[in-house]
Order: sequence, then C-alpha cells, then structure tokens
Amino acid sequence: EAGVAQSPRYKIIEKRQSVAFWCNPISGHATLYWYQQILGQGPKLLIQFQNNGVVDDSQLPKDRFSAERLKGVDSTLKIQPAKLEDSAVYLCASSLGGVRGGRELFFGEGSRLTVL
Amino acid sequence: GIQVEQSPPDLILQEGANSTLRCNFSDSVNNLQWFHQNPWGQLINLFYIPSGTKQNGRLSATTVATERYSLLYISSSQTTDSGVYFCAARGDSGAGSYQLTFGKGTKLSVIP
Repeated sequence: EAGVAQSPRYKIIEKRQSVAFWCNPISGHATLYWYQQILGQGPKLLIQFQNNGVVDDSQLPKDRFSAERLKGVDSTLKIQPAKLEDSAVYLCASSLGGVRGGRELFFGEGSRLTVL
Repeated sequence: GIQVEQSPPDLILQEGANSTLRCNFSDSVNNLQWFHQNPWGQLINLFYIPSGTKQNGRLSATTVATERYSLLYISSSQTTDSGVYFCAARGDSGAGSYQLTFGKGTKLSVIP
C-alpha cells in the first residue's frame, strides 16, 4: 500500500515570495492533516480536512497561509507571502475514520522550507 | 486542549542498554500514538495505543488511560534507535478535541 506522498521535499525561497506544497493521502483515507514542525519542536496542527471540508483551522495563520482539498483527495498548502519564521518542515498526514474517531495517523516524508 | 508532556527530554544510552520513555497527558484520550522521527525527518509509526499494552520486537508500549500516562520501552538498544521519539494524543472531549497534539519529544542518542 502506498504511503502519504508529498512534494517538493525541499524548497528554498526568499521572504515575501510564495510557495505551495502538495500532498496525496493514502487511498481511502477521509481525513487529511497539515502539520508544521519547527526545528527542535513537536509538530503543530495547521489544518484538518474531513473529505473536502475543513474541520479545524484554528492554528492556521490565515493572513498568509491557505489550504484546499479539492475532490476530497489531494491537498495543497500555500504560503503567500512567506516570512523568515515560516522556515520549517511541513508534514502531511492522513487517517481513515471520522473527525473525532480514534484513528491512527500516517505521515508523509515532509516538505522542508527554508526562507531566506 | 489536551496537554502532552514527555520525559526525559534527552537520553544517552550505551548500545545494548534498556530505556523507558514517559508520556503524560492531561485528559482522557481516544487516540495515542508513539512515533520515531528518523534523521531525515520522517515520522515513523511505532504504536497506536490509546489503552493497553503492545509489543513489536524490541519495542513495547503501555498506556494506562485511567492514570493518564503512556510508556515506551526500548530493550537492547541499537544505534539505529537514535532519533527523536514523539508521543501524540487526541483528547476525548472539550475544545481542540479534534487535534492530535504532540509532546516536545525525547531525543535519544545510542552510542556504540
């Protein structure tokens, strides 16, 4: 079974530029998550989708970050304009089950962003 | 939302030694997972264990949900066990209960 796919693996941009990350979850997984992991810290949830609807985006900086999940499968996370503090690894995860279900999350390899 | 605390923050072991990592959480949970983050940054699932005990080779985990803690045991450690171990939990009720919240991790270094 294929795992969670993410691209690009690495991206270097200058501040105020824009960047987009793509995620393809495990086939059949209804719930998709984007996490941000800053060096030395644990991952922090940015946004959670159930199919193509948003169920939690309380920690998403909406003035610069946006995400969508068209057709309830692939998802894109965009940052525009980027700031230095956005340098981090962006992790996508997916799980079977409903929003509050106790379902195991599986993570992709992550997309490492460096903002200069 | 739920609070997740891990200890110790850092651990250095001689190869072959055993260790116990602890995760305390502040609320009842419907999801608790242990992950190993490898040097390339990927989070590898170790255990999905909201309650009970599981074993996988040299690793085992126990969650005592009523007392709000989980333990990860590593026996006969190897250098390949090095990395950061994260505990993550999803609370059963209250605000933020949709989120799988991570602790700050335990950084394990196994030396030959």
